[in-house]
Parts: sequence; C-alpha cells; structure tokens
Amino acid sequence: GAVVSQHPSRVICKSGTSVKIECRSLDFQATTMFWYRQFPKQSLMLMATSNEGSKATYEQGVEKDKFLINHASLTLSTLTVTSAHPEDSSFYICSARDHRDSDNEQFFGPGTRLTVL
Amino acid sequence: GIQVEQSPPDLILQEGANSTLRCNFSDSVNNLQWFHQNPWGQLINLFYIPSGTKQNGRLSATTVATERYSLLYISSSQTTDSGVYFCAVVGGGSYIPTFGRGTSLIVHP
Repeated sequence: GAVVSQHPSRVICKSGTSVKIECRSLDFQATTMFWYRQFPKQSLMLMATSNEGSKATYEQGVEKDKFLINHASLTLSTLTVTSAHPEDSSFYICSARDHRDSDNEQFFGPGTRLTVL
Repeated sequence: GIQVEQSPPDLILQEGANSTLRCNFSDSVNNLQWFHQNPWGQLINLFYIPSGTKQNGRLSATTVATERYSLLYISSSQTTDSGVYFCAVVGGGSYIPTFGRGTSLIVHP
C-alpha cells in the first residue's frame, strides 16, 4: 500500500516555542491530506483538511492561527503549532489520499508525539 | 454528520480466542476502513471495505452496507493483536472521514 511518513516522530519543546510537523506521501501524490489530534485513550479528532495549493479547511473549534497548515506540494503538508503550551501536548497524525483514487482510501502516517513543557 | 458507533468498547481475550468487533454507521457510506493502532500509536490499515467480505490471514471483515454495519473478525488471537481497533467511514454526503471511538483489545498470553 501507499506510504505516508511523518517527521519528527516525537518532539519535546518549551512553552512558547513553535513546532513544525511534516507529513509526506512517499510513493503517491496527495491533493488532500488530513490532520488529526488524539488525546490519550480517545479517538482521532479531525483538526483540518489540507488541500494542495489552497487554504486549509479547519474544523469547528480549531484555531487556524494556532495550528498553521501549509500544503505547498502534492507530497508535503506541514502543521505548525505556534506558541505551544502544555495543553497542546498530544499525538498528531496525518493521513493522505491518492489523488488518482476515486475510492477515497486513506493512508496514515505514524504520528508525532508532542510534549510541551 | 454521519455517526459511527463501535462495540464493544473494551475486550479482553486469552491468547487463541476468537473475537468479533462491530461498527455501526448512521448513513450510506462510500468508504469504510478498519485500522489497528498499536501500543506505540501507529495506525495500521487493515481493510478498505465499503462493502463485501475480505480476508487477510487471521483477520477478516464484512460490511453490509444496506444494513449499515461492518464486522471485523479476529481468529486465534495473539498478544500482538493488542491495541485499539478503529472503524472510519466516509459518507452521508461528506468526503470527510469520521472515526468511531474504537475497541480497545487486550490479549493475554
């Protein structure tokens, strides 16, 4: 199946700093990528839909100025957590869809564990 | 939007036992996937199954789209099957995927 990578796999940062997470589709092109957040023992919560070449669509309650998304190419989307605080600590997961796939099958990255001290 | 319910929420098995996990959804779907999240958090794609039946080793899945449910069967469970199993659907007129709350499985040796 298609492969999606995320970098970094885990990051620890100080409160007030910004953290960038990369999501790459390695062997296919993705016009659409999704960013999810997962709290311990909970399901995945969709944060935003990232579309190549256009602005991301954010879910209700997600601050777009806090979580900056850029999808500059068909294989890369980035999520930047700006001025991170301890409450932003979470597991962030991206997924991507092959733009040629009419079935909308999703392929997930391995996730990034963010800890804000 | 479309609602997704998974059952049971928790399941504890002895190694070698069989189990059935269920996913109910509230509207027609054009995409349904089962995932296994391992203890390290990684999501593994198990099945893409908007309808019909598929098998992969000890795992199989069946989706009855007309009755709005899908089942994931695990046979001869192993400790490595432990983790959380999620069902995710796309449907109800939206292209946005919706996840269920998952079934947490623990398999004891």
